[in-house]
Amino acid sequence: QKEVEQNSGPLSVPEGAIASLNCTYSDRVSQSFFWYRQYSGKSPELIMSIYSNGDKEDGRFTAQLNKASQYVSLLIRDSQPSDSATYLCAVNDPRNTDKLIFGTGTRLQVFP
Amino acid sequence: GAVVSQHPSRVICKSGTSVKIECRSLDFQATTMFWYRQFPKQSLMLMATSNEGSKATYEQGVEKDKFLINHASLTLSTLTVTSAHPEDSSFYICSAMSGADTQYFGPGTRLTVL
Repeated sequence: QKEVEQNSGPLSVPEGAIASLNCTYSDRVSQSFFWYRQYSGKSPELIMSIYSNGDKEDGRFTAQLNKASQYVSLLIRDSQPSDSATYLCAVNDPRNTDKLIFGTGTRLQVFP
Repeated sequence: GAVVSQHPSRVICKSGTSVKIECRSLDFQATTMFWYRQFPKQSLMLMATSNEGSKATYEQGVEKDKFLINHASLTLSTLTVTSAHPEDSSFYICSAMSGADTQYFGPGTRLTVL
């Protein structure tokens, strides 16, 4: 079992819709969770971090964390074509909390 | 805030030569920086963790004599790919840690070895 799992996609949604991206992790003691966005040919860009169960909202983005079920999700409201990118879920490595374990990413396509 | 730069953004070199990549945190001090490599359509692969003033910690399978890392100050880490070969061609990305656990990435360096 991979430590951080994401559906590779592509996830296709129409402009204006809500995009829902999901991530599961294997180590129950993980404490820090991050979502990064990576455009093709570019480096990852931090979108949000979340540490506590529940929802965290920032503009059109909402991160959701459920530690009991070991999943973290990212909702993008009012999706725009410019949101089309690969979204990487990252979880801190409990054995070395400085390090992040990345999922393979979900490719999101928002079509007009 | 939390801006990380990398230089060069793109480099083409001949097989057998060495290439140095610089990673700088521009508006914060980073005691820890990380070096990743990403091949096309694959996810990030951590190569090593770089701590200011001490030796880097390399991930399993990464040759420390081939990928030399120096973290001489709180704002600068360098990665030198020695005796580069075509299979080293990749996208090299650094990140710097700001605060307790948040990593901010540089723009990456695309290395092509002929």
